[in-house]
Amino acid sequence: QQQVKQSPQSLIVQKGGIPIINCAYENTAFDYFPWYQQFPGKGPALLIAIRPDVSEKKEGRFTISFNKSAKQFSLHIMDSQPGDSATYFCAASMSGANNLFFGTGTRLTVIP
Amino acid sequence: DSGVTQTPKHLITATGQRVTLRCSPRSGDLSVYWYQQSLDQGLQFLIQYYNGEERAKGNILERFSAQQFPDLHSELNLSSLELGDSALYFCASSVESLGELFFGEGSRLTVL
Repeated sequence: QQQVKQSPQSLIVQKGGIPIINCAYENTAFDYFPWYQQFPGKGPALLIAIRPDVSEKKEGRFTISFNKSAKQFSLHIMDSQPGDSATYFCAASMSGANNLFFGTGTRLTVIP
Repeated sequence: DSGVTQTPKHLITATGQRVTLRCSPRSGDLSVYWYQQSLDQGLQFLIQYYNGEERAKGNILERFSAQQFPDLHSELNLSSLELGDSALYFCASSVESLGELFFGEGSRLTVL
């Protein structure tokens, strides 16, 4: 049972475009929602994270939008660059837990 | 470089065999996590240790076991290997239980 559902599976955009990756969850006890970025041959690395007390968080060209009532959150990448080509994972966890539940990943390709 | 070291990077073995994957966490990190990454399942949480004690268990098969040693390095033992165990196995560490996870570069296991 996938605790966090992620879409799309893959995404191709032109340089400068704004790819959007969506995630949905069911467990209302989740209160921490990070995004991890993984380059080929490397392990995932934390990109940005949000808690449900805010609806948006921005770090550089990366923005998380959070909709608590819909139990959805998304990652937007502004002015995407070829160097952003990677696999992106959303995740969720709850306070006191010892596990991050990951989505299935989105492979992003940014074409020059 | 995340500071998490995993060995071996690649491993090819036959069905029915047993292998051991090793992880050295970042200096100062007490928590170690093991994840399995396959193409269609994303990152699946296997098990977590905190300062030598098992803290949480995920989708870990009975054929798999892990431990964390006094020097905080961890080993994941996979036995009676099956073709379906072929995957990337990631170790991650964090300062405390959960928080930001720092992933190693993974051990790619191929079972023939």
